[in-house]
Amino acid sequence: RKEVEQDPGPFNVPEGATVAFNCTYSNSASQSFFWYRQDCRKEPKLLMSVYSSGNEDGRFTAQLNRASQYISLLIRDSKLSDSATYLCVAPRTGGFKTIFGAGTRLFVKA
Amino acid sequence: SQTIHQWPATLVQPVGSPLSLECTVEGTSNPNLYWYRQAAGRGLQLLFYSVGIGQISSEVPQNLSASRPQDRQFILSSKKLLLSDSGFYLCAWNYRAGTEAFFGQGTRLTVV
Repeated sequence: RKEVEQDPGPFNVPEGATVAFNCTYSNSASQSFFWYRQDCRKEPKLLMSVYSSGNEDGRFTAQLNRASQYISLLIRDSKLSDSATYLCVAPRTGGFKTIFGAGTRLFVKA
Repeated sequence: SQTIHQWPATLVQPVGSPLSLECTVEGTSNPNLYWYRQAAGRGLQLLFYSVGIGQISSEVPQNLSASRPQDRQFILSSKKLLLSDSGFYLCAWNYRAGTEAFFGQGTRLTVV
C-alpha cells in the first residue's frame, strides 16, 4: 500500500461549484499534514497546513480524520484559477522523508 | 526570508552524457534538503534527502547520485544519462522532519 493515496481525478466542475478531495495515509504516527497546489509545468506550492482541529482559509477548508486516516480539502465557490493539481503530504514522524501523494487534477470550467 | 534557487530551468542532454543539477538555499541554516523527480503526468518521486553536510539518503536505486558539499548546497548528478531519466527535477527544503517543504522552480530535463 502506498504511504499516501489520492484519487487522481480529473474532477471537472463548473465555476461556483463546491468540490472535495480526499487523501488517505498509511502511517498512523503522522502528526502534521499539508495540501499543495501545482500548476502545469510549475513547482508545487504550499496551499495550507492541516492540523488536528482542521483549518479554513477563505474558500478552502482542510480537515483531518485520524480514525480513518484521511485528510480532506474542500473548495467552495470554485474559480477558473483553481484549476490545478492538488497534492497531499503526510510526513512521517521522526523520519526525514516527505512523501507526496500523486495528486488530484481539478478543472474548473466557465 | 528564505529562498531556494535551482538551475538550469531546462536542459536537453544526449543519452550517455553526464548531468549536474545544483540547488542552493538562502536565509536559513542546516535545512533538510530533497531531490524529487516528476515524470510527465505523474506524482513526485523522492530520490534523495539530506539532513546535513555529506549525509545523503537514497530512496530509489538508479544511476543518479546526490552530494551536499556545503550546508545549503545540494547537487544531483549522473555519470551517464538514460532516456528514462527525463523528467521534471525539483529541489526542496524544510526546517525539520514533518514540517512543510518549499520547492525550487525545477529543472525540466529531456534526454534525447
